[in-house]
Amino acid sequence: DAGVIQSPRHEVTEMGQEVTLRCKPISGHDYLFWYRQTMMRGLELLIYFNNNVPIDDSGMPEDRFSAKMPNASFSTLKIQPSEPRDSAVYFCASTRPNRAGYTFGSGTRLTVV
Amino acid sequence: SQQGEEDPQALSIQEGENATMNCSYKTSINNLQWYRQNSGRGLVHLILIRSNEREKHSGRLRVTLDTSKKSSSLLITASRAADTASYFCATDRGGSEKLVFGKGTKLTVNP
Repeated sequence: DAGVIQSPRHEVTEMGQEVTLRCKPISGHDYLFWYRQTMMRGLELLIYFNNNVPIDDSGMPEDRFSAKMPNASFSTLKIQPSEPRDSAVYFCASTRPNRAGYTFGSGTRLTVV
Repeated sequence: SQQGEEDPQALSIQEGENATMNCSYKTSINNLQWYRQNSGRGLVHLILIRSNEREKHSGRLRVTLDTSKKSSSLLITASRAADTASYFCATDRGGSEKLVFGKGTKLTVNP
């Protein structure tokens, strides 16, 4: 099993540009989570999906952020327009209902200049 | 908002010593989990303890849970330099699948 796959690993973009982060969960995992990690705020849950349906997006900071899961094997997190304060490491994680623990991807380090 | 809070924030020990990290949380839970994060990497699940369990072991790891005090501890015995990492506790909030993470304990094991 290749694990949870995120791309890109690093992204540097200019303020105002659109950024799209991608995630492929583990096959058979029907929960998918997007987290953001910063030194100041730690790990914050942005949104999570169950069977491709968004369940809780209360952590999405503002309308500039959007997430989709068009099928069981792919999810995107989009920031438009990006701002320097969005700089962080964004993690995707997946799990199954028996809650054996989350499997995290390696993260995308986003830098907005 | 943070549900779990780890203590201490940082811990430095010598190889071979035991490391103990604590986690406190605020609301009732179904289970509590511990994760490890090496620098620049994703989090790795270590162990899950359910609310009706008091202690669990996995290799050199021992986790305890005291629901009356809303606290948990993670003990790493006979630590190795490779255990150097940040350790996070995470809790669900009964009925929800989402996990809320603390800010972590940064463990340094000196060779």
